[in-house]
Amino acid sequence: DAKTTQPTSMDCAEGRAANLPCNHSTISGNEYVYWYRQIHSQGPQYIIHGLKNNETNEMASLIITEDRKSSTLILPHATLRDTAVYYCIVRVGGNTGKLIFGQGTTLQVKP
Amino acid sequence: GAVVSQHPSWVICKSGTSVKIECRSLDFQATTMFWYRQFPKQSLMLMATSNEGSKATYEQGVEKDKFLINHASLTLSTLTVTSAHPEDSSFYICSARMAINTGELFFGEGSRLTVL
Repeated sequence: DAKTTQPTSMDCAEGRAANLPCNHSTISGNEYVYWYRQIHSQGPQYIIHGLKNNETNEMASLIITEDRKSSTLILPHATLRDTAVYYCIVRVGGNTGKLIFGQGTTLQVKP
Repeated sequence: GAVVSQHPSWVICKSGTSVKIECRSLDFQATTMFWYRQFPKQSLMLMATSNEGSKATYEQGVEKDKFLINHASLTLSTLTVTSAHPEDSSFYICSARMAINTGELFFGEGSRLTVL
């Protein structure tokens, strides 16, 4: 199974962009990169996913390097409500498989 | 968006009793549901994968006789913790994949189990 490496924690100023990196150097060609976040004592919330092209939705942008060995989640204008644990996950078995969570990055957005 | 609901949100039980947690997809059909548990300050750990109408597939190290999973319909999966003990106290979370797969997994709000 491809594994991911994320920084344990990061800070970001409110209103600024939050850039969360993720390394997945052993990713296979058909494995997707997913991002979820978890606010304390709640279920994870889907943010975005991608295979090899960059993706953008109303929540965030996902930038995947050309070799697919790393990616960056961008929250364009972080707010205090974006404080959460962010999980970068390489989905096993294509986009129908299971999600194996790593330790994630705790993002603290500060006023 | 698609909603997954868990019930109960929290439950306290005595050691030795069994507890059932329900996971429902409210506005879509879910062919596959996943069950996780999460201990304080730790990440989610996948316990099992359940497909509608068939037996669940358990991850290595998860006791299938202790954690009974039933996925009898396309909108409901249940997790029963049998003969619960204090070490089973945890946050249990389910997720569901749509029958028409969008690639997204939808998570419930979690169920907190405390075994006294």
